[in-house]
Amino acid sequence: TQLLEQSPQFLSIQEGENLTVYCNSSSVFSSLQWYRQEPGEGPVLLVTVVTGGEVKKLKRLTFQFGDARKDSSLHITAAQPGDTGLYLCAGSGYSTLTFGKGTMLLVSP
Amino acid sequence: SQTIHQWPATLVQPVGSPLSLECTVEGTSNPNLYWYRQAAGRGLQLLFYSVGIGQISSEVPQNLSASRPQDRQFILSSKKLLLSDSGFYLCAWSLSRTGSSYGYTFGSGTRLTVV
Repeated sequence: TQLLEQSPQFLSIQEGENLTVYCNSSSVFSSLQWYRQEPGEGPVLLVTVVTGGEVKKLKRLTFQFGDARKDSSLHITAAQPGDTGLYLCAGSGYSTLTFGKGTMLLVSP
Repeated sequence: SQTIHQWPATLVQPVGSPLSLECTVEGTSNPNLYWYRQAAGRGLQLLFYSVGIGQISSEVPQNLSASRPQDRQFILSSKKLLLSDSGFYLCAWSLSRTGSSYGYTFGSGTRLTVV
């Protein structure tokens, strides 16, 4: 069974701060995705990383896939209240996507 | 473009009553379809997935069942709800079961409260 561990589980910061959240596994994934979910809504795909060592940027968000394709990180620069939400990573293997339990981010003004 | 519709948005049902949640996808053919349940603010638990009409895979033994009567319709049902069935239910679709390239697209969810 492939598992994804996300850390931290909860993060509360002030607007303007930088942060990094992590997604780790002992399994290798063919690709890894990050989703953001706002309260009362479904998760929305932010990015897919495919190649080991790959780095993708989406405005103030930087996503990195580990060289061994077992882990990933999401770095947010100068966080804003609009970044508040649950960040889920998901790994693609041989079956359905494997989701982590998420990091709940709260950005206060 | 593809869209996914899920309804109702909220539902309050008494214990022992039946349940039917419906999900439809537009703008694509033969999608892979999924039902997830999410505990408050936490991760997703895959309940059922379907790769085609009448083909249902159950991931977790439940008081729930799923059916796919049409290509782009996925239904989650229960004959008798339990208190433990309360939660946030999400339907999703994808082009590939592994979601390797384009991921999963989720509906807006149904908040079910069993009282």
